Formats: sequence, C-alpha cells, structure tokens
Amino acid sequence: SQKIEQNSEALNIQEGKTATLTCNYTNYSPAYLQWYRQDPGRGPVFLLLIRENEKEKRKERLKVTFDTTLKQSLFHITASQPADSATYLCAPPMFSGGYNKLIFGAGTRLAVHP
Amino acid sequence: GAVVSQHPSWVICKSGTSVKIECRSLDFQATTMFWYRQFPKQSLMLMATSNEGSKATYEQGVEKDKFLINHASLTLSTLTVTSAHPEDSSFYICSAPLDRSWNQPQHFGDGTRLSIL
Repeated sequence: SQKIEQNSEALNIQEGKTATLTCNYTNYSPAYLQWYRQDPGRGPVFLLLIRENEKEKRKERLKVTFDTTLKQSLFHITASQPADSATYLCAPPMFSGGYNKLIFGAGTRLAVHP
Repeated sequence: GAVVSQHPSWVICKSGTSVKIECRSLDFQATTMFWYRQFPKQSLMLMATSNEGSKATYEQGVEKDKFLINHASLTLSTLTVTSAHPEDSSFYICSAPLDRSWNQPQHFGDGTRLSIL
C-alpha cells in the first residue's frame, strides 16, 4: 500500500537558519505533491504544490523540491522565524474512485527558537 | 481566498449521544468535500468523500452507519457520529477543493474537537 514517511522527530533550529524537512513516499508515483502547514488545534493550510515535471518550486522564503527517482520531496524554509513554528505535512494525492484524494504524512513539527 | 467553516469547534458529550458536525464552504460551491479524523500526534486519515446530491464514499474500515454523511447542498456537508463512544473521541476536519481539477489544493476547516465521556 502507499506510504508517506516524514521525520516524526521534532526539528529544532535557531532563528535565521534554514529548515529542511523530508518527505519520502513508497509504492506509488504521484503526479504532484502538496505541502501544508498545521498549527495546534487548527486545520491544515495549503502552502505549495509541485508537479512531477518540476524539480523545484519557490514561494517567498519557501522552497520545495521533488525527486521522482528518489521518491522524495524536500521542503525548505530559509531565514526561519519563530512564527514558522508549526507542523508541516506532506501530501501526495492518490486518484481513487474518481477523486484526487490526499494522503498525508504524519508531519514534522518544526520549532524555531529566537 | 476560499474559506471553509466548521461548526462546532469543540463538543463534549456523554457516551451514546449522536453528534452532528457541519462543514460549510463560505465563498465557493463545493460539490465534493472530504472528512478526516486526526488522533494526537498522528496524520490526518481520510474517512470519506462527501458528494453533493449523492451518497458518500467511505474509506476502507470506516463504518458508514456509524459516521453518517449528508451533502444536501453545494455549500454544506454534515458528519453525524451516531451513538458516540469514548473511542470516537478525536479531531474531525473537513476540506473542500475549489473544483475537481487534478491539482487543486484543499481548503480545510478548523476542525471539531470531539470528546466523549
């Protein structure tokens, strides 16, 4: 079955540094992949989408890469700020029953310290 | 931007009670909505796909008679947890895409924290 793996350990970094989060997937080949941010007690918020033919996507301080050979996506936050502290979820889709259903990883909790 | 509103945000009730959760798309029409459940420190698990005007489709292992879904309009889907028990306590979240295009992001509600005593 399809499996999404994110580093379940919390990532602690110093303000101003670059945070790099990893998402690995197995047993399927998604055409694209989405990244979301989730704050405690809230629903996820969409950040970026990257297609299989795109190696890299940027949005302000965020950068996502997608390596279909390694079956891996990396999510980078440059010049990190304490406000970036949250859980980040990787979500490739699975087409099933006529719908693109997102399969979520467990998420990586990022803590940015002043 | 697209907004999805979920109500209530928090509910505590006794075992055996049925609880209804509403999910509304405020500024767009959602022919499809998704319902998820999330346990502490775990990922969102898709429970079912809600379709306006037709029956919901449930993921494997989700009891359709336990979790009743109604999508009676293009802006409202409801999830009713029937005869809830403590093991049903969880964080329930709904989402909707703007349309069924293959690459649309999901817009999520802020979830409902359900606690069954």
